[in-house]
Formats: sequence, structure tokens, C-alpha cells
Amino acid sequence: KAGVTQTPRYLIKTRGQQVTLSCSPISGHRSVSWYQQTPGQGLQFLFEYFSETQRNKGNFPGRFSGRQFSNSRSEMNVSTLELGDSALYLCASSEGPGTEAFFGQGTRLTVV
Amino acid sequence: DAKTTQPTSMDCAEGRAANLPCNHSTISGNEYVYWYRQIHSQGPQYIIHGLKNNETNEMASLIITEDRKSSTLILPHATLRDTAVYYCIVRVKVSSGSARQLTFGSGTQLTVLP
Repeated sequence: KAGVTQTPRYLIKTRGQQVTLSCSPISGHRSVSWYQQTPGQGLQFLFEYFSETQRNKGNFPGRFSGRQFSNSRSEMNVSTLELGDSALYLCASSEGPGTEAFFGQGTRLTVV
Repeated sequence: DAKTTQPTSMDCAEGRAANLPCNHSTISGNEYVYWYRQIHSQGPQYIIHGLKNNETNEMASLIITEDRKSSTLILPHATLRDTAVYYCIVRVKVSSGSARQLTFGSGTQLTVLP
């Protein structure tokens, strides 16, 4: 069974731009969560989607948004990028909310 | 979710058992103990979880004390590839509806020495 796939793996953007990251969950998994990891803040929860509905949201500004499609694939979008948005963005999939989560390799975003 | 406390770092000799402790003294009756690890620059990897009974899988064993206030993750024969940050997380496990996210602390940096 293929694991969680995140694309792209690396991304460089300029301040003020917007970015979209993609996550394909493990086949059969219906829940997708997103996390941001920075050296200073560690791993922080962004949001979780299940059945195309956002079920839980972390403490991030509205510039961070996401969505889930009917095939459970998910995207997250960050608008008006700031230097502090440079981070490793991780996607995790699980069979349902609260079940074991399996993480992808992440997308390394650098904002310059 | 209950807060966890883990040592910042630990060393272990290759081939020996690595025992990683975790304190979760405020754990509730319906909260599970989860362990994940993160090898440098990779996504976290699920290892094991348990409620109150000891658990074992192909990767590790999880020993939870009777009062559930602490647990130990055991890697029976550590290899160099087990060098990683290990996170102990407690969380309510629900099958549907709104679920609490994984709250990662600082974890324990395990270094396996040759």
C-alpha cells in the first residue's frame, strides 16, 4: 500500500505570494491532518479534514486554509506569505478522526 | 489532552535495548498513549499506542504502569537507524466526529552509538 504522498517536496516562494500544497492520503484513509514544523515552535497542528469537512483547527491565522476533495486528497493554501511561514509542512492521513496517523515526508517551504 | 514529560536526550549502545520514559501524570481514563518518532527531516513515524495493557509490535514494546501515570517505550535491539526524536503523546481515541489533534512536545532525542 502506498504511503502518504506530499507534493512538491521543496518550494521557494517570495514574500507576499501564495502557495498551495498537496497531500494524497493512504488508500482508504478518509481523514487528513496538516502540521507545521519549525525549529522554534516544533510540530504544530494546523487543521484536520474528514469527509470533506474541516473537523478541527489549530491556532493559525486565516491566511492558512485547506480543503479536502471527495477522493480524500487534500490541499492547503497559504496566502500573503511571510518569512515566518518558512517551515516543513506535514500531512498525515488516518482511517478516521482520532485513529493512528501516518505522515508523509513533508513539503519544505522557504519564503525569501 | 494530558501533558507529557520526556527527557531531552538519551544515548544507547547499538544492539542494546533502548528504554524511553514518559510521564503523563494527568492522563484521563479515556486517553491513550501514542509514540511517534521522527528521523531528521522526515515525517513522524507511528510506532505504537496503548491504553492500559502492555503492547508489542514489530517495532517496539510499550509498558504502561498500573496507575497509567507513566510509560516506557522499549526498542529491544537498537540500531543506528533508530537515532531519532521520539515523541510520547496522550490523546483521546474516538472513532468519529471531532477528534483532538496530536499535540507534539519536544520529545526525546535518542542517539544510538556504534
